Amino acid sequence: DTEVTQTPKHLVMGMTNKKSLKCEQHMGHRAMYWYKQKAKKPPELMFVYSYEKLSINESVPSRFSPECPNSSLLNLHLHALQPEDSALYLCASSQGGLGLASVRGQYFGPGTRLTVL
Amino acid sequence: TQLLEQSPQFLSIQEGENLTVYCNSSSVFSSLQWYRQEPGEGPVLLVTVVTGGEVKKLKRLTFQFGDARKDSSLHITAAQPGDTGLYLCAGEVDAGGTSYGKLTFGQGTILTVHP
Repeated sequence: DTEVTQTPKHLVMGMTNKKSLKCEQHMGHRAMYWYKQKAKKPPELMFVYSYEKLSINESVPSRFSPECPNSSLLNLHLHALQPEDSALYLCASSQGGLGLASVRGQYFGPGTRLTVL
Repeated sequence: TQLLEQSPQFLSIQEGENLTVYCNSSSVFSSLQWYRQEPGEGPVLLVTVVTGGEVKKLKRLTFQFGDARKDSSLHITAAQPGDTGLYLCAGEVDAGGTSYGKLTFGQGTILTVHP
C-alpha cells in the first residue's frame, strides 16, 4: 500500500473560519510533509515532521498550525486565512527521517483544494 | 539556496514523437526524483536515482543521473496522449546526511501530447 489519503478534497472557507486538513498514511513512513502548490508551479515546502516531531518550519505564517497526533496522521489547522492562501495543499510521506541518509522518494496525497473567500 | 533548473518549461508534441526533459544544477544531490502530476491531483513518484551515471527505465521512460550527480534527464519514447501532465524533478541536497528530507524542485515541464 503506497497510498497517502487527504481529506477533504475541496474546502471553501471565509477569512474568519477555523478549519483543519487531514492526512493519513499506513506505509510506516517516519517523515511527513505539508506543501502548498499554486497552479502550474512546483510544490512549496511548508512543514516537515520527523518521528512525530516538527523538524522544519519554512517560515510559514502562524495562521497555519501543523499537528502530528501519531506516526500515521498529520493535520494542518487553518485560522484567519487570506485569499492569497488559496491553493492546493499537499501532504506527503517518506521512509527517511531526521538524520537518515536519504529521502529516496516522497509519496504524495491527492491534495486538498482550498479556496479562501 | 540550491537551484534546480528544469527545461523546457512547456512542450507540445504529436503522438509518437520522442522528447527529453532536463534538470541541471550547480549543487550535488544525494538523490534525484522525477514526478508526474495531473491537474487536481498530487505528484506521483516515477523514479528515484541515487548513483552517479545511473540509468533507469520505466516502460517508454528513461531516466539518467549525471556522473557528478548535478543533473538528470527524462526521455520519453513514442509519447502518447496519456503522458500529458506536469513533470517535476526534485533533488535531495547532499548535506552530509542531514538533508532532513528537504527537496529542491525544478520549475516543472508542462507536456501536452496531441493525438
